[in-house]
Amino acid sequence: GAGVSQSPSNKVTEKGKDVELRCDPISGHTALYWYRQSLGQGLEFLIYFQGNSAPDKSGLPSDRFSAERTGGSVSTLTIQRTQQEDSAVYLCASSPLGDGGWGDEQYFGPGTRLTVT
Amino acid sequence: QQPVQSPQAVILREGEDAVINCSSSKALYSVHWYRQKHGEAPVFLMILLKGGEQKGHEKISASFNEKKQQSSLYLTASQLSYSGTYFCGTSGSNDYKLSFGAGTTVTVRA
Repeated sequence: GAGVSQSPSNKVTEKGKDVELRCDPISGHTALYWYRQSLGQGLEFLIYFQGNSAPDKSGLPSDRFSAERTGGSVSTLTIQRTQQEDSAVYLCASSPLGDGGWGDEQYFGPGTRLTVT
Repeated sequence: QQPVQSPQAVILREGEDAVINCSSSKALYSVHWYRQKHGEAPVFLMILLKGGEQKGHEKISASFNEKKQQSSLYLTASQLSYSGTYFCGTSGSNDYKLSFGAGTTVTVRA
């Protein structure tokens, strides 16, 4: 079946512009996660959705970052007034249950490479 | 808090074994292991849960020492396809986040 998809695959934007990154999880997966990966670095957790709700938004780096999920499916990560330090690969993942106990394997999408010039 | 992985990198010849370690300073509920090849998304390898439950691929083995808050991933009889960066992710009982280590880069040579 189809895996997690993300769009766009690449995005180049000017400093100060807003960007929207989209994630389509695997159909039926309850939980959805956003991560950020800077060049050569590990995965930085941003936010987790259980259905349409995000129990904890403290992982978002600043108030310029926001995310929403609608219909228990598609999610959008929005970065306002982008800065050069926002440049990274943004990865989305989904898992079947997402019970908050983190007992589910996560399926990752291919990521969106964001470059802020 | 980010778990600490060791070693940072390892080079193996096909058929050799290696161990990757992951340690945390806090009590853990779960440890996840993923492998990422260059330019690709991370791929699930294994989950180890407090209490002994494990989920993962048959050819991958790992251990979880709850008292020491440590996990180890065992690469046995390594193959060229094992090359990549291995990440461990950890969570506590009441966490809503998975904290990943910085990764261990494994290179398997013929």
